[in-house]
Amino acid sequence: AQTVTQSQPEMSVQEAETVTLSCTYDTSESDYYLFWYKQPPSRQMILVIRQEAYKQQNATENRFSVNFQKAAKSFSLKISDSQLGDAAMYFCAYRSAFNNAGKSTFGDGTTLTVKP
Amino acid sequence: EPEVTQTPSHQVTQMGQEVILRCVPISNHLYFYWYRQILGQKVEFLVSFYNNEISEKSEIFDDQFSVERPDGSNFTLKIRSTKLEDSAMYFCASSERLGADNSPLHFGNGTRLTVT
Repeated sequence: AQTVTQSQPEMSVQEAETVTLSCTYDTSESDYYLFWYKQPPSRQMILVIRQEAYKQQNATENRFSVNFQKAAKSFSLKISDSQLGDAAMYFCAYRSAFNNAGKSTFGDGTTLTVKP
Repeated sequence: EPEVTQTPSHQVTQMGQEVILRCVPISNHLYFYWYRQILGQKVEFLVSFYNNEISEKSEIFDDQFSVERPDGSNFTLKIRSTKLEDSAMYFCASSERLGADNSPLHFGNGTRLTVT
């Protein structure tokens, strides 16, 4: 079974600075998808960024980028120019590419605080 | 942009009562899911549903739980006899299909279930 580990329960960053959230996972599969979801106080789960394991290039979405290290099974999220609206809980998630209806496995989450 | 909608936003019920949580997935999506999140904790997979049947379910999804897609648009989660430990936020999600851009989950805003 796949597992996802987020080793930082809480992180804080100064507004306009950069922060990196860590995620590692364990799998024996060769193809899969990785995601970062954001959960603000409103509790809605919002997709931030996604990465296909077969792609070497790290995904980027505006101020959000990932550092995907497949051999190390690491998938960290970098938030540049942090904004107050980035304050939320961030979840890393794994999904197999071999099971069309398969579940996503989530990490325990990292609570990000942005200081003005 | 199409959204997953969930009703009600908050449901309070007494222990032993039946509850039905409702979801309307995005219309062209094929895969449907229920997840739950006990307050402040990780997001846990309950069940996935495809082609009018359960594809995968977790250990949490025992005989007290059932899912239905009664009319081609609604997707419901029924808890037959609620327990105190069923109190959680329940998220419905859908996805179109696995593929380069279509694998992420689209979440609804959640239903907060409180069992007293």
